[in-house]
Amino acid sequence: QKEVEQNSGPLSVPEGAIASLNCTYSDRGSQSFFWYRQYSGKSPELIMFIYSNGDKEDGRFTAQLNKASQYVSLLIRDSQPSDSATYLCAVTGNKLTFGGGTRVLVKP
Amino acid sequence: NAGVTQTPKFQVLKTGQSMTLQCAQDMNHNSMYWYRQDPGMGLRLIYYSASEGTTDKGEVPNGYNVSRLNKREFSLRLESAAPSQTSVYFCASRGTSGGARSTDTQYFGPGTRLTVL
Repeated sequence: QKEVEQNSGPLSVPEGAIASLNCTYSDRGSQSFFWYRQYSGKSPELIMFIYSNGDKEDGRFTAQLNKASQYVSLLIRDSQPSDSATYLCAVTGNKLTFGGGTRVLVKP
Repeated sequence: NAGVTQTPKFQVLKTGQSMTLQCAQDMNHNSMYWYRQDPGMGLRLIYYSASEGTTDKGEVPNGYNVSRLNKREFSLRLESAAPSQTSVYFCASRGTSGGARSTDTQYFGPGTRLTVL
C-alpha cells in the first residue's frame, strides 16, 4: 500500500462545475496536509494547506480533512480551463510524502 | 526573493558522461531536497539534506551523489549518466516562503529537464 494515494485521473470537469479530488494516507500520525498544483512542464506550486479536521476555504479552493478516516480532499469551485493541471497531495508525518497526483482537465 | 533556483534548465548527455545539477535557495531554509519526476511515477526523493553538513539517501539514490556546499546550495552529481536517468529533476527547500499565505512546507525550483542518450 502506498503511503499517500490519489486517483491518477484524468478527472474531466465542465467549465463552471466543481472538481472534487481525493487523497488517502496511511500514517495515522500525519499532522500537516498540503495540495500542490503542477502545470505541465512546470514545478509543483503550493495552493492549500490544512492542519485541523474540517474545511478550509481559500477563494475557489476548499480543502477538507478527516483524520479519523485518513483522507483529505480538495474542491475546486467554478472550475476554469486554467485549473487544468495535475494536483499533488502531500502529507507530513516524519517526512513529507507526495501522492502520485490527479490530472484535472477542465473543458470549456 | 528568487526562491529556489536551478541550473541548467535543459541538458542532453551521452551515456557515461558526468554532470552536476546546481540548486540554490535564498529563503534561509535548513532542509533541501532533490527529486526526480518521471511520467506516471510521481515525485521520487533522491537525496535530502536536513541541515548544512548533512546528507541522507532518499528513495532512489543509486547513480547519484550530492553535496551540501553551504546553507544556500545543494548540488546533485551524476558520475556516469545512464538512459534510465532521463527525467525531470526538481530541487526543493523546506521552510516558510515568507509570504502572507506561506507555511512550513517544501518549495520547489523550476526543474532541470535531463536527457541521456
